[in-house]
Amino acid sequence: GAVVSQHPSWVICKSGTSVKIECRSLDFQATTMFWYRQFPKQSLMLMATSNEGSKATYEQGVEKDKFLINHASLTLSTLTVTSAHPEDSSFYICSAPLNSYEQYFGPGTRLTVT
Amino acid sequence: QKEVEQDPGPLSVPEGAIVSLNCTYSNSAFQYFMWYRQYSRKGPELLMYTYSSGNKEDGRFTAQVDKSSKYISLFIRDSQPSDSATYLCAMSDGVEYGNKLVFGAGTILRVKS
Repeated sequence: GAVVSQHPSWVICKSGTSVKIECRSLDFQATTMFWYRQFPKQSLMLMATSNEGSKATYEQGVEKDKFLINHASLTLSTLTVTSAHPEDSSFYICSAPLNSYEQYFGPGTRLTVT
Repeated sequence: QKEVEQDPGPLSVPEGAIVSLNCTYSNSAFQYFMWYRQYSRKGPELLMYTYSSGNKEDGRFTAQVDKSSKYISLFIRDSQPSDSATYLCAMSDGVEYGNKLVFGAGTILRVKS
């Protein structure tokens, strides 16, 4: 199957700082990538759709200015959590579609804001 | 009503049991049906996908789709403790690249040794 990586796998930051999470498709190109958030024992919550060469599309209720998304190339999307607060602590997962139905997920990034 | 319904479980079975995981859906436009497995604190892993109605088998796993009933299933034979995870069904109309998948809530499976 296709491989998607994320970096870092775990990050701890202080309240008020910003954190960048990278998502890469390693063996295929992805003009679209998705960013999800997952709280413990809950399902995936789609945050936004990252589009190469254009602005990201955010789901209702997701703050665009807090969660900055940049799709820099056909294999890289980044999510920056700005001015992080403890309530932003969560598990963030990206995915990249190989075609119109197969999506491959990264291993996830655990963010802890102290 | 949610577009995709999935019993959250947890479902607890003894090792060696046959497991049946199910989802129902309401959107008749869905053509592709996926099953993902997610271990704790890991990203979901695509197990298998099925196009339209029918069965698909891969080792101990069998995916079944009944579009007339809008019902899909994943069967796991000879279940192992390593199968303990959350199983998510996902669906797509498959029309365009980059379509959002619609996920079920996930079923927690525990296989006891």
